[in-house]
Amino acid sequence: DIQLTQSPSFLSATVGDRVTITCRASHLISTYLAWYQQKPGKAPKLLIYAASTLQSGVPSRFSGSGSGTEFTLTISSLQPEDFATYYCQQLNSYRITFGQGTRLEIK
Amino acid sequence: QLQLQGSGPGLVKPSETLSLTCTVSGGSINTKGFYCAWIRQPPGRGLEWIGTIYYSGTPYYNPSLETRLTMSVDTSRNQFSLKLTSMTAADTAVYYCAALISTDWGSRGFDLWGQGTMVTVS
Repeated sequence: DIQLTQSPSFLSATVGDRVTITCRASHLISTYLAWYQQKPGKAPKLLIYAASTLQSGVPSRFSGSGSGTEFTLTISSLQPEDFATYYCQQLNSYRITFGQGTRLEIK
Repeated sequence: QLQLQGSGPGLVKPSETLSLTCTVSGGSINTKGFYCAWIRQPPGRGLEWIGTIYYSGTPYYNPSLETRLTMSVDTSRNQFSLKLTSMTAADTAVYYCAALISTDWGSRGFDLWGQGTMVTVS
């Protein structure tokens, strides 16, 4: 199975900061990668798919990049509502896997 | 617009079978490219993929669960279901149903999610 490793696991930042989360895959997955945001007690929300395509309705401060084995999610200017946990997910095969998550907290 | 509503028991005894159903509203599950998935999240932990099933009924299971897992689709009821046997405390989690529609698997993400069902094994 394809393993996804996110870094960092925990990130402390301030409103207005630019932050980047990295997701590394154990095998080549082309651009078959999605990013989700999850807030406590809520279902995950799709932010980015196909590594860099912004889901409809998601603010443009979110962006994704990468291909192959290394991917990034960037938030250009953190807003209060962005403090949450972020997960990457690979869909290179029907056997999906998730990264372990990155918890983004207010400094 | 399409919505998912999960349903099932909140409490299951050890060794028993968990049965969950996800009902799709606002559109038909009997659509080419309609993929349904179950994903779970133990308390305080990350997301774990359980399995995915295509609208035609072809399932794909997490290898760590496949000996205990059965997923199915009922297009007449617009529902998909999960059965997980031999439940233990390690299966305690919030269980989410999710879906995506794409004729090119991998090119989209799961943009439809149910509200989640907390299942406790005790």
